Amino acid sequence: DAGVTQSPTHLIKTRGQHVTLRCSPISGHKSVSWYQQVLGQGPQFIFQYYEKEERGRGNFPDRFSARQFPNYSSELNVNALLLGDSALYLCASNMGWANTEAFFGQGTRLTVV
Amino acid sequence: AQTVTQSQPEMSVQEAETVTLSCTYDTSENNYYLFWYKQPPSRQMILVIRQEAYKQQNATENRFSVNFQKAAKSFSLKISDSQLGDTAMYFCAFMKQGGSEKLVFGKGTKLTVNP
Repeated sequence: DAGVTQSPTHLIKTRGQHVTLRCSPISGHKSVSWYQQVLGQGPQFIFQYYEKEERGRGNFPDRFSARQFPNYSSELNVNALLLGDSALYLCASNMGWANTEAFFGQGTRLTVV
Repeated sequence: AQTVTQSQPEMSVQEAETVTLSCTYDTSENNYYLFWYKQPPSRQMILVIRQEAYKQQNATENRFSVNFQKAAKSFSLKISDSQLGDTAMYFCAFMKQGGSEKLVFGKGTKLTVNP
């Protein structure tokens, strides 16, 4: 079975641009969460979606947005990129509401220049 | 708000020996879960072990075990018979029971297993 897949694996963008990151959860998983991991730090929670509804939001500016599609895949969008947005963006999926076993993808390495 | 602290930025151990990674956390919640995740150079976070706060018995998974001290808000990871493949970043994480499944991570401990 395929695990959590994220695309692209690497991305270089210029300040001020917009970026879309994609995540496909494990088949049967209905919940997707996004995390930002800056170099040398632990991941920080950005969003959680369950059944296409936002269930949680971390302390990130409105430049960050996300959505979940009917097939439970998800997109993370970041507008007006800043140098500080350079990070590894991780997607995690789990089976459903209040299920604690999260499975992570390999992440998208975003570099903003 | 919950916080997770890992006070050991780096540790090393000889192959086949035992090592303990430390983690403390701060929360006013009574019901929660604690986790240890491993992140090898491949970047993928892998769940090592999970502990439910309501369980007094410490969790074990093969060579991995935890020492959960709820009153002290301490959650250390012991790795026995260390293997070269255990070399990775290890993150301690907290999740409140109920609400969103938000994981709060520590800054991590870089573990190197030497041959």
